[in-house]
Amino acid sequence: NAGVTQTPKFRVLKTGQSMTLLCAQDMNHEYMYWYRQDPGMGLRLIHYSVGEGTTAKGEVPDGYNVSRLKKQNFLLGLESAAPSQTSVYFCASRAMSQGAHNQPQHFGDGTRLSIL
Amino acid sequence: KQEVTQIPAALSVPEGENLVLNCSFTDSAIYNLQWFRQDPGKGLTSLLLIQSSQREQTSGRLNASLDKSSGRSTLYIAASQPGDSATYLCAVYGGATNKLIFGTGTLLAVQP
Repeated sequence: NAGVTQTPKFRVLKTGQSMTLLCAQDMNHEYMYWYRQDPGMGLRLIHYSVGEGTTAKGEVPDGYNVSRLKKQNFLLGLESAAPSQTSVYFCASRAMSQGAHNQPQHFGDGTRLSIL
Repeated sequence: KQEVTQIPAALSVPEGENLVLNCSFTDSAIYNLQWFRQDPGKGLTSLLLIQSSQREQTSGRLNASLDKSSGRSTLYIAASQPGDSATYLCAVYGGATNKLIFGTGTLLAVQP
């Protein structure tokens, strides 16, 4: 019963390096999301996807790219890491809405990323 | 722009006490409101989701209410236990933007 799995759990990067965070869900959910959580700021949406092959910008998309080549995976890329991107990154997924009722989002345990 | 506020930011209570956490939002045009729990170093666990057409939801010792017209929700925890210690987050979903807008949370400590 894995749910939403994020890898890696921790990572330290140097400024300018690149990396990809992987999110995998086994619930056959249509929607997937990437958030960052910073002290005093709450969770903010970076990018999201409403289905395989689709992506859209969230509230704070600059400096990040995403891809959803397979329904179960949602990748978040940092092309040139900056200290301002030090944060905890969370992936979430949810099922498609049923009529007027929306479904809850399910979260992974997060990736703690430090940029030196 | 939707803004979500949670008061208090931190709360410490003795074990066994009933308590209320508050959440307010500025735009009442929401589809639903969700309460989450976050343990240190962990992700978010969904506790309750209240659809816009509902007034409350209950799960065990938890009861969440929603008053859309006043832009308020409360999470009531009955007979609190040390295991309830965590950060509690509320988030509202506006539908059109596919976004959950989060509050900054209430850090709850239940003292044994």
